[in-house]
Amino acid sequence: GQNIDQPTEMTATEGAIVQINCTYQTSGFNGLFWYQQHAGEAPTFLSYNVLDGLEEKGRFSSFLSRSKGYSYLLLKELQMKDSASYLCAVREDNYGQNFVFGPGTRLSVLP
Amino acid sequence: GAVVSQHPSWVICKSGTSVKIECRSLDFQATTMFWYRQFPKQSLMLMATSNEGSKATYEQGVEKDKFLINHASLTLSTLTVTSAHPEDSSFYICSAREVFPTGGRDSTPDTQYFGPGTRLTVL
Repeated sequence: GQNIDQPTEMTATEGAIVQINCTYQTSGFNGLFWYQQHAGEAPTFLSYNVLDGLEEKGRFSSFLSRSKGYSYLLLKELQMKDSASYLCAVREDNYGQNFVFGPGTRLSVLP
Repeated sequence: GAVVSQHPSWVICKSGTSVKIECRSLDFQATTMFWYRQFPKQSLMLMATSNEGSKATYEQGVEKDKFLINHASLTLSTLTVTSAHPEDSSFYICSAREVFPTGGRDSTPDTQYFGPGTRLTVL
């Protein structure tokens, strides 16, 4: 079956670093995506990992360990505008047809 | 990045009426588009996968006769909620899959780009 887990909520302080974890068990694996979603808006693409290791993109980094079925999104120098939900999604097949989304993690950044 | 539009952004309708939502990829061709539904404080739930020129593939539990999907061209897919009921009130989001990024765009091949969503309220 398919199962993607993320913490439901997290709170952090402006300027700090926060790590959002994602574990997955899916029937196939062809890449893991992180999306940011502000309340009432559609998700926007943040990062993509298909090989093990760390991908860095400005203040955001994402890590993947395929053997452990584990990923994390690291947000540095937190800003108030980073308050949003962060969705982990796994692409299951080579044709890219099927994305499975995790439940999302609601991050609140406090001043 | 790749731009996907949805129309309308919000709609209020009476129970029993039908509502059509359009999803367009503005600067790329999308052979595949996806329709999601999202209830408050919940994650995206895939409803169906729409392929240009062929019938949509619906997820288990989604009524294909109630949620009609038409992918008439490489840039347009429509979702029609027929005989809408209050329990159909939700945030509907489409996404389009860009297989080959064009125009030097720095994007990940074969990722999904989301429309802004349509908030449907059925009275």
